[in-house]
Amino acid sequence: GQQVMQIPQYQHVQEGEDFTTYCNSSTTLSNIQWYKQRPGGHPVFLIQLVKSGEVKKQKRLTFQFGEAKKNSSLHITATQTTDVGTYFCAGMEYGNKLVFGAGTILRVKS
Amino acid sequence: NAGVTQTPKFRVLKTGQSMTLLCAQDMNHEYMYWYRQDPGMGLRLIHYSVGEGTTAKGEVPDGYNVSRLKKQNFLLGLESAAPSQTSVYFCASSPLAGGPNEQFFGPGTRLTVL
Repeated sequence: GQQVMQIPQYQHVQEGEDFTTYCNSSTTLSNIQWYKQRPGGHPVFLIQLVKSGEVKKQKRLTFQFGEAKKNSSLHITATQTTDVGTYFCAGMEYGNKLVFGAGTILRVKS
Repeated sequence: NAGVTQTPKFRVLKTGQSMTLLCAQDMNHEYMYWYRQDPGMGLRLIHYSVGEGTTAKGEVPDGYNVSRLKKQNFLLGLESAAPSQTSVYFCASSPLAGGPNEQFFGPGTRLTVL
């Protein structure tokens, strides 16, 4: 079945440093979504990418979808303490079922 | 709008006991999902529903049953709890396909099976 791998598992950065998490699917995706989960909270939707090669920005966050629609990345510029949490990618192959990556835990040292 | 709500928030069971987790959404969403979250494994889909009266198996359905008798409610049942079912359970809902497919998550239920 479809698998979504996400790296790194964990990253600890100094406030102001950049952060990137990568996602790779075993199959071609119809779209990919990104979610953020604060410690003790629930996943919250950030963005959905649909088109091959798509790049979207939300303030300091940049999301990319690969040309082959099998990989994606999330880059945060100049991290802040409010960015802490776990970032999940989730791939949709067909229908409305998402397959989640294991997530990247981000810790920011001030 | 309350969004997606889940009850209970916490529960401790003994091996072999049964329980039902309730999920309710007030956004008139067609799709509803049950996930479990374990450390280092992300969210894994247990069962899902594409509409009232319909259910389907996800990635890890064994040991769980579900029902969607009303559009706004999605129940997850554990007939005979096992320690391997200790986890955090999240319910989610999403509208019909065709627009953004974002899923809206409830606050979660932390279940411990002794």
